[in-house]
Amino acid sequence: GQQVMQIPQYQHVQEGEDFTTYCNSSTTLSNIQWYKQRPGGHPVFLIQLVKSGEVKKQKRLTFQFGEAKKNSSLHITATQTTDVGTYFCASRSNSGGSNYKLTFGKGTLLTVNP
Amino acid sequence: DTGVSQDPRHKITKRGQNVTFRCDPISEHNRLYWYRQTLGQGPEFLTYFQNEAQLEKSRLLSDRFSAERPKGSFSTLEIQRTEQGDSAMYLCATLAVGGYGYTFGSGTRLTVV
Repeated sequence: GQQVMQIPQYQHVQEGEDFTTYCNSSTTLSNIQWYKQRPGGHPVFLIQLVKSGEVKKQKRLTFQFGEAKKNSSLHITATQTTDVGTYFCASRSNSGGSNYKLTFGKGTLLTVNP
Repeated sequence: DTGVSQDPRHKITKRGQNVTFRCDPISEHNRLYWYRQTLGQGPEFLTYFQNEAQLEKSRLLSDRFSAERPKGSFSTLEIQRTEQGDSAMYLCATLAVGGYGYTFGSGTRLTVV
């Protein structure tokens, strides 16, 4: 399957600071998805990017897909304590057929100091 | 309430015992996935159903693991002769026809002692 590497593994910020997590692959990705998992919770789907160079925004969150479709980033502006959690990128398998199997990165754990 | 229900939420079992988990998907979602997540890791794919057909199994799914989805509705994941290495969160996720973002259940946390 397609491997995706995420950095950093952990990030601690002061409330109000910005935060960015990066997702990288050695191969071209068909798409990239981002999920958020609150402590003790389950992953929640945030967004999917499919086009080269695509940029999407959700309030304070900005998602980008690289031109070569080998990397992606999630940027949060002016973090709040509600942003605490682990952010995962995931890519869908290219094995074909109807299996939308996702391969997840290890995630970036964001903690926010109020 | 995510719409995907998993039962039980927590399970503590002794090594060597069998355990079974259940997932009730969102009714119109025909694709159902089981994932396993350990601490500090992302979810790892175990198996996939489209309706009642199990179409793919990961190599992570040893012969002690079996999953079913009778009638294409709820699904069960059974682990026989549990080992301490089976301790993890077992997540069920579903996907609607034409959809692309998974809806995860709250998971079953298994602890093997």
